Parts: sequence; C-alpha cells; structure tokens
Amino acid sequence: GAGVSQSPSNKVTEKGKDVELRCDPISGHTALYWYRQSLGQGLEFLIYFQGNSAPDKSGLPSDRFSAERTGGSVSTLTIQRTQQEDSAVYLCASSLVTSRASDEETQYFGPGTRLLVL
Amino acid sequence: AQSVTQLDSQVPVFEEAPVELRCNYSSSVSVYLFWYVQYPNQGLQLLLKYLSGSTLVKGINGFEAEFNKSQTSFHLRKPSVHISDTAEYFCAVSDSGTYKYIFGTGTRLKVLA
Repeated sequence: GAGVSQSPSNKVTEKGKDVELRCDPISGHTALYWYRQSLGQGLEFLIYFQGNSAPDKSGLPSDRFSAERTGGSVSTLTIQRTQQEDSAVYLCASSLVTSRASDEETQYFGPGTRLLVL
Repeated sequence: AQSVTQLDSQVPVFEEAPVELRCNYSSSVSVYLFWYVQYPNQGLQLLLKYLSGSTLVKGINGFEAEFNKSQTSFHLRKPSVHISDTAEYFCAVSDSGTYKYIFGTGTRLKVLA
C-alpha cells in the first residue's frame, strides 16, 4: 500500500519568507509526527498528533513554527519568517497506535522535505 | 526530561566482524525502546523494538538488542555484518505515559570490505 508521502521534496526559500510543508500519512493511521533532522543533530521531535487529542507541541523550537492536522489525516507544518538555522530535512511519520505496547507501535517515515533557507 | 545518548557517531567495521552500537537513555521509568535504520538515500525504517517481555529482542537483518534496565541501555548487536549494513542507526525511547519519541543523534555504521 501507499506509504507516507511528503511534499515538496525540496524547498529553497529566502530568509524571512514563510513555507508550508505537507505530509500525507498512511490511511487510517491515528498518530502523526513531525521531526527535524539536521546534520549531526539526529532527529529532533517537533510535534505529534494522536487521534482527537490535543497535539503535543512541546518540541516546536519557536512560535514561528506551527502545525495542523485536518480531518485526522493530512498535516501541514508552517514555518513563518524563515531563518537560515531552519535549514534541515523535515520528516513526517505516522503510526497506527490503538494502545501502548501493541505490535502496532511502529512509526512509518516519509522521505522528508529538504529545506534550504538562503 | 528523557534523553538518549548514542556515544559513537561513527563506527567502522570490517565485513563479517561483529558490531555493537551503544544506546543509553536517561530515565528509568517504564519505557519503550526502538532502533531505526536509515540506509543511504532512503527513509527511516524500524529495525526492532522493545515493548515488554523478554529483554532480548530480535529484529530484521540479523540484528538484536538487549534491554538492560539497571544500566538504562539498549545496545544493538550483530554477530557478522555485511556491506549492505552500511547505514545510519538511530536509537529512540518513548516513556509509557506519552506518545512522544526521543531520538539519539545516530551512529553511522560503515562496513569495510
């Protein structure tokens, strides 16, 4: 079946511009995650959505970052007034988790959006 | 707050030799532990996970890891590596009370012929 898809695959923008990154999770997956992968920094948690619960936004680095998930499916990560330090690969993942410690506790990752802020 | 440490940023090893990639986490509360692998130019995929039960877990491609609660470790091992194992390996932990995952900085395994 179709995996997690992200668009665009690459984005080059100028400092100060806003960008929107899109994630299409696997159909039926209840949880959706955003991470940022910078060289030498590993994966940095940004935000996750779980079903109808309030999202956990504790990883967002500043108020320039926001995300929404419409209809429990597609998610958009928005970065306002981009800065050069925002340059990174932004990864989205989804999982089907109905309870902790189930065999469904697996995140499926998209290919990422490579963002370059000039 | 929970944190994950992967002390080795790069590990070179010859083909058919054994390898251990180290992972330590900070909090000893009930946790779920994972190893993900990222092959060159590919997305991350799950290698193995510890949720409960036996502390020795086996994953794909001959990898295994052992959960050691007293040492708060979840080291990844393979008795004999192949060239195709060259990739970046990420350890991750999730506390039982949250769906939030904390990833380590990754270990780049390079298998040499």
